[in-house]
Amino acid sequence: ETGVTQTPRHLVMGMTNKKSLKCEQHLGHNAMYWYKQSAKKPLELMFVYNFKEQTENNSVPSRFSPECPNSSHLFLHLHTLQPEDSALYLCASSPTRGTSEQYFGPGTRLTVT
Amino acid sequence: QKEVEQDPGPLSVPEGAIVSLNCTYSNSAFQYFMWYRQYSRKGPELLMYTYSSGNKEDGRFTAQVDKSSKYISLFIRDSQPSDSATYLCAMRRTSGTYKYIFGTGTRLKVLA
Repeated sequence: ETGVTQTPRHLVMGMTNKKSLKCEQHLGHNAMYWYKQSAKKPLELMFVYNFKEQTENNSVPSRFSPECPNSSHLFLHLHTLQPEDSALYLCASSPTRGTSEQYFGPGTRLTVT
Repeated sequence: QKEVEQDPGPLSVPEGAIVSLNCTYSNSAFQYFMWYRQYSRKGPELLMYTYSSGNKEDGRFTAQVDKSSKYISLFIRDSQPSDSATYLCAMRRTSGTYKYIFGTGTRLKVLA
């Protein structure tokens, strides 16, 4: 595997379900990010991790819970989501938090029913 | 007013044309400027990044930043059908938050 991988690629969940999104980067980077991409809206930064420590949380609802066990893996735990949370969730990594080059994974297309 | 404005398109051009994609922004503190290409069902791919003002060229792509006008551009020379994608601009400050602000993207179609 190379670059940034995300699983699953597609996810359909009910509003009462609990699920997790997984991201893994094979680039030796130290910073990882979660973004939300909705139709006709700009990418919204959700969380930033630098050397496994969360450094930014952009007012994300608590029904989204990130976890970063090490610099290569990032999870997004989901529970009691709303239909408006349906979107493409993108993971990205960069060498460090301050580096301009971010490398994105293919995303998880989430549908909340 | 949005911090970053980008025309959503779609922009349709014939193969071989020079394409100009643009973003305007309102925050004069932005110093890093990036362009990403996103194909359908894929994540964004970094094409170019520049710091402060000036031009940067890479193959058929040229990125231009005009800080006095708060305007950035991406030029694609000799456009190909494989360039058909959505192009996102992004920018951020050099200090404080490392949050990247993205435009909504311009959808480009290069017709064979």
